[in-house]
Amino acid sequence: AQSVTQLDSQVPVFEEAPVELRCNYSSSVSVYLFWYVQYPNQGLQLLLKYLSGSTLVKGINGFEAEFNKSQTSFHLRKPSVHISDTAEYFCAVTERDTGNQFYFGTGTSLTVIP
Amino acid sequence: GAVVSQHPSRVICKSGTSVKIECRSLDFQATTMFWYRQFPKQSLMLMATSNEGSKATYEQGVEKDKFLINHASLTLSTLTVTSAHPEDSSFYICSALLGVTYEQYFGPGTRLTVT
Repeated sequence: AQSVTQLDSQVPVFEEAPVELRCNYSSSVSVYLFWYVQYPNQGLQLLLKYLSGSTLVKGINGFEAEFNKSQTSFHLRKPSVHISDTAEYFCAVTERDTGNQFYFGTGTSLTVIP
Repeated sequence: GAVVSQHPSRVICKSGTSVKIECRSLDFQATTMFWYRQFPKQSLMLMATSNEGSKATYEQGVEKDKFLINHASLTLSTLTVTSAHPEDSSFYICSALLGVTYEQYFGPGTRLTVT
């Protein structure tokens, strides 16, 4: 079975500072990886995904993530955050062979401080 | 991008009554939809996987007789909370799987309050 660990439940950061949200997964098979963002009282929106190819993936709103197979990590980064980035961020994984059942991390609450 | 709608967005019902939540994929067909439950400040808990034309697959600990799921068409899945209790109050989120991309598109969620 898969599992996803987001080590940081809350991350406060000042506006225009860089941020990294950590995600580690455990799996014995090849996986697809995703980052989703959830704004208050809204559903989840896809930020970016890794299916194959380049391990550095660029997504919307200036976010990027790097797949590191040896460390089983998929950390999310942004070089300069905005107030509007304040939200809950979820990392998710699914198996390549099935691509069906998704496993989500517990989420990281990013708060951008003016 | 693909759009998934949920209706209603908020519902308040009395204990013992049933509530139906609809999930629709508006611009693509989805053979697979998922239903999640989200508690405050927590992650999404997968309740069941809904496959068009067949019975839903429920996660361990989720009562299939209480949370009835029907996926009658490629664009509509419904979740019916039967004989609702206050502990069923939660934020329910559906998603539709765009199979070729392995992307899930999420609905905006339904806030259920049982009084």
